[in-house]
Amino acid sequence: GAGVSQSPRYKVAKRGQDVALRCDPISGHVSLFWYQQALGQGPEFLTYFQNEAQLDKSGLPSDRFFAERPEGSVSTLKIQRTQQEDSAVYLCASSLEAGRAYEQYFGPGTRLTVT
Amino acid sequence: KQEVTQIPAALSVPEGENLVLNCSFTDSAIYNLQWFRQDPGKGLTSLLLIQSSQREQTSGRLNASLDKSSGRSTLYIAASQPGDSATYLCAVRPNYGQNFVFGPGTRLSVLP
Repeated sequence: GAGVSQSPRYKVAKRGQDVALRCDPISGHVSLFWYQQALGQGPEFLTYFQNEAQLDKSGLPSDRFFAERPEGSVSTLKIQRTQQEDSAVYLCASSLEAGRAYEQYFGPGTRLTVT
Repeated sequence: KQEVTQIPAALSVPEGENLVLNCSFTDSAIYNLQWFRQDPGKGLTSLLLIQSSQREQTSGRLNASLDKSSGRSTLYIAASQPGDSATYLCAVRPNYGQNFVFGPGTRLSVLP
């Protein structure tokens, strides 16, 4: 079956521009996660949704970062007024149910480069 | 705050060697630990998931162990192959919250 998909796969933005990154989770998956992976580092947690509810946004680095999942399926991560330090790969993951026992399935990521 | 480290940062071995990748975490209050593989330009592929009550998991040539009290896990790869070349990430799931805390990864190169 189809896995987690993300678009665009690559995005180049000039400093100060706004960007929107899309995640299509596996159909029917309740939980959705966003992670940020800087070059040479492991992914770091940004935010977590259970259906349409954003239950944890403790990892968002600033108020320029905003995520939504209005219908409990597709999610969008928006970054306003991008800065060079926002350059990273943004990974989305989904899991079938809420709860730590369930495996997370990761998408291929969106590589954002801010020039 | 949970912190995860991995040693070595990079490893290069000839084909056929057995090897061990190490992962350490600072807080033993974990729900489970998972090893992932990441190929360049691709997402993460789950390799092995160990629940906190388990000591090890095996899948094919891979064996992962967990010593929760000492905050350590190892990933053992037997008879390495060039196709094993990738970055290997260790991630722990704390008892609190839903998300993983990842280590920085070990970049493995298996030379033909």
